[in-house]
Amino acid sequence: GIQVEQSPPDLILQEGANSTLRCNFSDSVNNLQWFHQNPWGQLINLFYIPSGTKQNGRLSATTVATERYSLLYISSSQTTDSGVYFCAVSDFSGGGADGLTFGKGTHLIIQP
Amino acid sequence: DTGVSQNPRHKITKRGQNVTFRCDPISEHNRLYWYRQTLGQGPEFLTYFQNEAQLEKSRLLSDRFSAERPKGSFSTLEIQRTEQGDSAMYLCASSRGVEQYFGPGTRLTVT
Repeated sequence: GIQVEQSPPDLILQEGANSTLRCNFSDSVNNLQWFHQNPWGQLINLFYIPSGTKQNGRLSATTVATERYSLLYISSSQTTDSGVYFCAVSDFSGGGADGLTFGKGTHLIIQP
Repeated sequence: DTGVSQNPRHKITKRGQNVTFRCDPISEHNRLYWYRQTLGQGPEFLTYFQNEAQLEKSRLLSDRFSAERPKGSFSTLEIQRTEQGDSAMYLCASSRGVEQYFGPGTRLTVT
């Protein structure tokens, strides 16, 4: 099955700093999503981005499908950005709507 | 537009007991997914439904796990004869297209 690797596994930053999280995947994908998991376990949708670039406030994401990677950018970090960020993908084998394969996540801590 | 809901939010059970979790998807979402997340890992896909049809169940962890979606609306996930290794967060997601939206999860503790 498809493999997903996220880096770095852990990241500690001061409030106001910028960060880049990376997701590498092993095959062509029809779905790529970025999530933020809050301390209570809720997965919050950040981006649906199988290709291209999107921005939402301080967050932006870019997926280069031909090179099989995606980047999540967080600018001017706030303490509320702390948590685990997951990249998840599905490939074309499930007819377009299959279960997601998740990476192990990046654990981000923003210190005041 | 209410989100995906799951009940109960927490369940403590003794080894060997059966447990059932419920998931209510976002209205008009015809696809429903179940995942399991253990500590320090990303969620792991278990099964999915399109309307009432279960289209993928080979990823269910053992024959002790089963899921239903009888009328194409809510779904239940049952674990029979629970083991300590079943302790985890069980997540439900729904979608109308490809993008999936997750519920808050049910945290299971098997003692």
